[in-house]
Amino acid sequence: DVKVTQSSRYLVKRTGEKVFLECVQDMDHENMFWYRQDPGLGLRLIYFSYDVKMKEKGDIPEGYSVSREKKERFSLILESASTNQTSMYLCASSSLGLAGQGELFFGEGSRLTVL
Amino acid sequence: LAKTTQPISMDSYEGQEVNITCSHNNIATNDYITWYQQFPSQGPRFIIQGYKTKVTNEVASLFIPADRKSSTLSLPRVSLSDTAVYYCLVGDPPRNRLAFGKGNQVVVIP
Repeated sequence: DVKVTQSSRYLVKRTGEKVFLECVQDMDHENMFWYRQDPGLGLRLIYFSYDVKMKEKGDIPEGYSVSREKKERFSLILESASTNQTSMYLCASSSLGLAGQGELFFGEGSRLTVL
Repeated sequence: LAKTTQPISMDSYEGQEVNITCSHNNIATNDYITWYQQFPSQGPRFIIQGYKTKVTNEVASLFIPADRKSSTLSLPRVSLSDTAVYYCLVGDPPRNRLAFGKGNQVVVIP
């Protein structure tokens, strides 16, 4: 089975702290994604990566950065956490075709609270 | 970016067939249409995917008209455990910038 593992299920941080959210997949997928999910807003795409060291902005990249140094690992970084970044963060990976065919596999999510 | 539009929520009684629609007016020629299901405190999981006409698997059916500007997910004989949020997604080549919409909250009533 494909497995996408997010490093922490629950985190509590203070405003201004630097936060790292790690995601690891074990299926050699090229594509990896970070989403955040808030009540009533669905899933919103923050960043995605289609190859090692490659990244592209999603719909809401402000306040976030990402790192993909190895194929299996995609990290989301909050340089200076703010209270409006309190959210559920979901990582996904896939070996998608160019037309979007294929399946996204999601991790369990990381619930971040910024105080 | 091919965006999708879905109803916000719907209720259905247990045992009924549920049809959930999605509009994707700007779908590109080569885009696939994919549906996901999400339970509370879990990541979404794949249900079904199609390109045109009808696709059926052990869980659901997907109907796509000839113009492909909409699609309908059909869940036969729903049970209480089908209460979830359902998302439709269309491919967004060339880099697969896959953006979900707000989804459709389906509540199954006993």
